[in-house]
Amino acid sequence: AQSVTQLDSHVSVSEGTPVLLRCNYSSSYSPSLFWYVQHPNKGLQLLLKYTSAATLVKGINGFEAEFKKSETSFHLTKPSAHMSDAAEYFCVVSDNTGGFKTIFGAGTRLFVKA
Amino acid sequence: GAVVSQHPSWVICKSGTSVKIECRSLDFQATTMFWYRQFPKQSLMLMATSNEGSKATYEQGVEKDKFLINHASLTLSTLTVTSAHPEDSSFYICSLQGATFDYGYTFGSGTRLTVV
Repeated sequence: AQSVTQLDSHVSVSEGTPVLLRCNYSSSYSPSLFWYVQHPNKGLQLLLKYTSAATLVKGINGFEAEFKKSETSFHLTKPSAHMSDAAEYFCVVSDNTGGFKTIFGAGTRLFVKA
Repeated sequence: GAVVSQHPSWVICKSGTSVKIECRSLDFQATTMFWYRQFPKQSLMLMATSNEGSKATYEQGVEKDKFLINHASLTLSTLTVTSAHPEDSSFYICSLQGATFDYGYTFGSGTRLTVV
């Protein structure tokens, strides 16, 4: 069975400081992992994905994430936060069982202070 | 990348009426489609999975007679909320998967449904 846990319901950072959004997963098989961003009343935009290639994945807008199998983690980071990064972020796990179902984390709201 | 068009982006309807939401894949063949709903300040919950040409598979607790899903072609899936009630008010999002799993998932822009 798959599951995903986002360890923080909200994170607040100052503009220009690093961002860390934490995600832990469990999966019976080799998972694929994704990070999505959702701005208010908008759909989801894919930031990056891990699908068994390089463990350090670079995404759009300066975000990156590292797949650590030993820690079952896939934390999202960005060196310097921008005001436009304020949004809801979802960590998603999927594997090749049961029709490639995707399981969403509860989400982390990122606040960026000026 | 894949482009998904979902509409309407928002709809207000009266209790007891039905609402249809469309999800179109504009540039690839979507063999599998997923429908999610999202309540305010909550995560997305998978409602059902549909495969082109076959019946949808609904998640536990989702009424299949209330949320009708049709995936008649490789480019179009529809979700019809029948006899809508205020508690059906939510944000509905579709997701399409291409023929290759590693292609990943593409999400529609969502539909905000308000039942009054």
